[in-house]
Amino acid sequence: YELTQPPSVSVSPGQTARITCSGDVLPKEFVYWYQQKLGQAPVLIIYKDRERPSEIPERFSGSSSGTTVTLTISGVQAEDEADYYCQSADSSGSYVVFGGGTKLTVL
Amino acid sequence: EVQLMESGGRVVRPGESLRLSCAASAFNFEEYDMSWVRQAPGKGLEWVSTINWNDNSTSYADSVKGRFTISRDNTRNSLFLQMNTLRAEDTALYYCVRRDYDSRGYSWFDPWGQGTLVTVSS
Repeated sequence: YELTQPPSVSVSPGQTARITCSGDVLPKEFVYWYQQKLGQAPVLIIYKDRERPSEIPERFSGSSSGTTVTLTISGVQAEDEADYYCQSADSSGSYVVFGGGTKLTVL
Repeated sequence: EVQLMESGGRVVRPGESLRLSCAASAFNFEEYDMSWVRQAPGKGLEWVSTINWNDNSTSYADSVKGRFTISRDNTRNSLFLQMNTLRAEDTALYYCVRRDYDSRGYSWFDPWGQGTLVTVSS
């Protein structure tokens, strides 16, 4: 199965960025979000659609509706410029798929 | 601090083999599923393989099935990826990743190592 993300999203500092991830399996399976800054390894920022690790700033949030899951970054900062990937798995957790990634540009 | 340190990446020719290693520290390695995820230059993330903590069962992406073998040595806190019959399209940065999980068995990738670069070129 596939997960579809927009290739790019651009916002000005202080605005809200929304990055979507769509897939037919998403009503049944959770989505996880990773942030990858230039030259760095990915970092988990959202798990199980909307849970946030304690070290991740509160401006990062997740939501889901039907076949679409959304990563929202409120009050975007320059340091949020990065690639963002959604990820899901089959019901057994054995087979994993990533979305194609979304490049967030902070204008 | 949990750490994952990959090694073994280098330049190889098409058809050759290579073995990647990942040294884990600061967590109970034997209690976690472990995975390899790769990223071709300028491209997105691609899951490669996962090995179960309990029964060493394995799963692979279709793109590597039959050519790659994942394994682990819990006595050495180490994860491995044996890559055979390498192709140009296997060129990528290979990340070693822990699969963290909750009480209901849902899992996610955290943390990630810094990666080791495999280049397949004639």
